Amino acid sequence: GQNIDQPTEMTATEGAIVQINCTYQTSGFNGLFWYQQHAGEAPTFLSYNVLDGLEEKGRFSSFLSRSKGYSYLLLKELQMKDSASYLCAVSGITGGGNKLTFGTGTQLKVEL
Amino acid sequence: GAVVSQHPSWVICKSGTSVKIECRSLDFQATTMFWYRQFPKQSLMLMATSNEGSKATYEQGVEKDKFLINHASLTLSTLTVTSAHPEDSSFYICSATGTSGSAISYEQYFGPGTRLTVT
Repeated sequence: GQNIDQPTEMTATEGAIVQINCTYQTSGFNGLFWYQQHAGEAPTFLSYNVLDGLEEKGRFSSFLSRSKGYSYLLLKELQMKDSASYLCAVSGITGGGNKLTFGTGTQLKVEL
Repeated sequence: GAVVSQHPSWVICKSGTSVKIECRSLDFQATTMFWYRQFPKQSLMLMATSNEGSKATYEQGVEKDKFLINHASLTLSTLTVTSAHPEDSSFYICSATGTSGSAISYEQYFGPGTRLTVT
């Protein structure tokens, strides 16, 4: 099975940098995803890591260490609109396709 | 990017009735579709995985006779909540994966979700 842990809540200041950590234990691994979800909406894709290292995309970066079962999402130059839930999800291979298991999500609040 | 739609976006039904939710991939062929349920302030919980033309695979604890899934074509999957009860009230989200059109094989594309309220 898969077990994914991430902090429940975080608070940061507009313009600052915040790092959201995710640790996982999995019997099968085919990549790690980060999603952003605003209340009442579906998740939107932020990043995908399948190899160790840092992936950068604008203000968002994601890091993966497969040997440590660890990932983080880094958000720079925080904006108020970044207040949302950030979901870490691990992909494992099933007979029918890549299956995602989601962490509980980290509710990020950006303050002035 | 690839687009997935869901219909309806919200529905209110009476206890004991059935509700059908549609999930469509608009610009790619969805070889696999996933159905999730999300309760308030909780994460997404996978209910089932469906492949076109075959029976869905349900996650442990999900009643297959209550949550009927049909994936009859490469662009459409439906979830029917049968004999709905208030505890079935939730946010239901579908996602799809595929390799055609604008889809990238490793990514799941999410629909906008359906808010179900059972009274």
